[in-house]
Amino acid sequence: GAGVSQTPSNKVTEKGKYVELRCDPISGHTALYWYRQSLGQGPEFLIYFQGTGAADDSGLPNDRFFAVRPEGSVSTLKIQRTERGDSAVYLCASSLTGGAGELFFGEGSRLTVL
Amino acid sequence: QKEVEQDPGPLSVPEGAIVSLNCTYSNSAFQYFMWYRQYSRKGPELLMYTYSSGNKEDGRFTAQVDKSSKYISLFIRDSQPSDSATYLCAMSAGNNNDMRFGAGTRLTVKP
Repeated sequence: GAGVSQTPSNKVTEKGKYVELRCDPISGHTALYWYRQSLGQGPEFLIYFQGTGAADDSGLPNDRFFAVRPEGSVSTLKIQRTERGDSAVYLCASSLTGGAGELFFGEGSRLTVL
Repeated sequence: QKEVEQDPGPLSVPEGAIVSLNCTYSNSAFQYFMWYRQYSRKGPELLMYTYSSGNKEDGRFTAQVDKSSKYISLFIRDSQPSDSATYLCAMSAGNNNDMRFGAGTRLTVKP
C-alpha cells in the first residue's frame, strides 16, 4: 500500500483479555517500530525490528507485551492479560533503514481496556 | 527530568500570526532533530529534519537548533487554520530506535 496500515483502528477489550494489533509497513521498508502514545504525551518507543528480528525491545514495559515480524513485513504486537493502564494509541512506523531518517507512521490502533 | 521537555500548551493564535514552538533536551548525544505534525486521530508526519546546529527553512516553516543551549525551535510564519495540530519535537543520537519525542504542543490557529 501507499502508507503504513494499522488494524484495528479501535479496539475495546476487558481487563485480562488478550489483544493483537497488526501493522503493515510501507513496501521495501526494512525497519519497523512500535510506539505507544498516551493522552497528552508524545510517542514512547516500544520495539524496533530490522527485517525479521527484534533489534531493540528495550521499550517493552513488561513480559505481557510481545511483538513478531515473521516474514520481515507485517508485524503483530501482542498484549496478554491486558490492564487498564495499557489503554493508549499504539503507533507503528516504518523507515527505509534503521539509521536516523524519516519515520512514516500509521494512524494508530486505539486500545481501550475496560 | 525528562530527556526532552516540551510545553504542551495549548497555544491559540489568530490567522497570520507568527508561531514559535520550542523544546529543550538534556542528552548532549542528540545530533538529529525533527519536528513532526500530528493531526487529531492521525499518526505523526515529518515536517522538518535538521542535523546538528543551525537553521533550516522550508516555505513558511523554519527550524532552529542551538546545541550549546540544548534548545530547538520551530517557527511558523503566516499561520493558517490548516496548521492547527499538535507539534512534536523529536531527536536522536543516530538511530531511529533511540529517538525521543517531546509531549507535543497543541496549536490552534483561529480564522
